Amino acid sequence: GAVVSQHPSWVICKSGTSVKIECRSLDFQATTMFWYRQFPKQSLMLMATSNEGSKATYEQGVEKDKFLINHASLTLSTLTVTSAHPEDSSFYICSARPSGTYSYEQYFGPGTRLTVT
Amino acid sequence: DAKTTQPPSMDCAEGRAANLPCNHSTISGNEYVYWYRQIHSQGPQYIIHGLKNNETNEMASLIITEDRKSSTLILPHATLRDTAVYYCIVNQPPNSGYALNFGKGTSLLVTP
Repeated sequence: GAVVSQHPSWVICKSGTSVKIECRSLDFQATTMFWYRQFPKQSLMLMATSNEGSKATYEQGVEKDKFLINHASLTLSTLTVTSAHPEDSSFYICSARPSGTYSYEQYFGPGTRLTVT
Repeated sequence: DAKTTQPPSMDCAEGRAANLPCNHSTISGNEYVYWYRQIHSQGPQYIIHGLKNNETNEMASLIITEDRKSSTLILPHATLRDTAVYYCIVNQPPNSGYALNFGKGTSLLVTP
């Protein structure tokens, strides 16, 4: 149980285009999902917190107009990287926290590797 | 800012116990200690968490000192598949939305 999927697992896009990444909790409902970014040889950095039915909360320094997050259902959150640039190339990872829990236990997707050329 | 301190790297022979330390000297009374690991190019995996009592599950044991200022994650019989970066995380206050604050972690290399 507690499986989170991400799609696509990797994507290559041209500079200036937009890319959408999906995060799904497959066997549980998640009121809250998180989006992280990881550059090579670095740790995960939280980008935003996504709550179902409301606007995402972005961390300082993360452009909300560039990284659009939609959490339309209890099992799906999407991250759209708009007008992508080479510096947006990174490993994007989502996690989902089961609804109704009051702990920090959460389940991570396998990640999406984005390369912008 | 990370509130934990971990050694950057450790080695362990396959089949032996891997003991990964973590210092969290500023931990407050209601904060839990969580351990996650990340195998290369994968999403992190939850391992275990605890408040003040020692905890054990099918993956690992967590030993928390009585003053709660440090803890040790124990993988009792390390395998090559346990090679990963291990993160010790002290949870932030709930008003941060239960996000995890990943530090640099410990890179564990299990050798044959």
